[in-house]
Amino acid sequence: EPEVTQTPSHQVTQMGQEVILRCVPISNHLYFYWYRQILGQKVEFLVSFYNNEISEKSEIFDDQFSVERPDGSNFTLKIRSTKLEDSAMYFCATGIRPTEAFFGQGTRLTVV
Amino acid sequence: AQSVTQPDIHITVSEGASLELRCNYSYGATPYLFWYVQSPGQGLQLLLKYFSGDTLVQGIKGFEAEFKRSQSSFNLRKPSVHWSDAAEYFCAVGGYTNAGKSTFGDGTTLTVKP
Repeated sequence: EPEVTQTPSHQVTQMGQEVILRCVPISNHLYFYWYRQILGQKVEFLVSFYNNEISEKSEIFDDQFSVERPDGSNFTLKIRSTKLEDSAMYFCATGIRPTEAFFGQGTRLTVV
Repeated sequence: AQSVTQPDIHITVSEGASLELRCNYSYGATPYLFWYVQSPGQGLQLLLKYFSGDTLVQGIKGFEAEFKRSQSSFNLRKPSVHWSDAAEYFCAVGGYTNAGKSTFGDGTTLTVKP
């Protein structure tokens, strides 16, 4: 069964460093999303991406965050200068249509 | 604004017993409703979804959910719980054009007693 693949599974970074989280969507999927889940808290929407541009973003998705699909395959989330509070599980989700979202296994980001 | 309330933070049931997890939503238009399950340290797995049609939807792993518009509810049920069902369960609501931009509830942690 096709699945959304996220790499790395766990990333440890120092505060202030840039990190890039990667997502390989299911083939032919056109809609892409990033969510985050701080430990013990609810899953929160960050951003949606379609047709090579951001469709919607939440208040969490400030100027420190960016997304792109540089090679038409990988979908990336970049955090420019990480803060301790960015430590969370980050989930990528993709869908072939806007009425669905298949989630990856997540990347656990730990900022130290 | 859309929102989801899962009133039960933690539920414990005995193996073989029936299960119902509650979910209430608020959405200004026709909602798209989802239930996800998350095992510890794992990603989110879609159990089932409701868009339209029959208000009783069947999902994977023997789960079902019933959409009740009058009560703004989308409760998840399973007739007989297995120990492997122990996990966290999230209800989510989205819209027709942005189901991927879903709002999640706080989750309900299910513990299964032997």
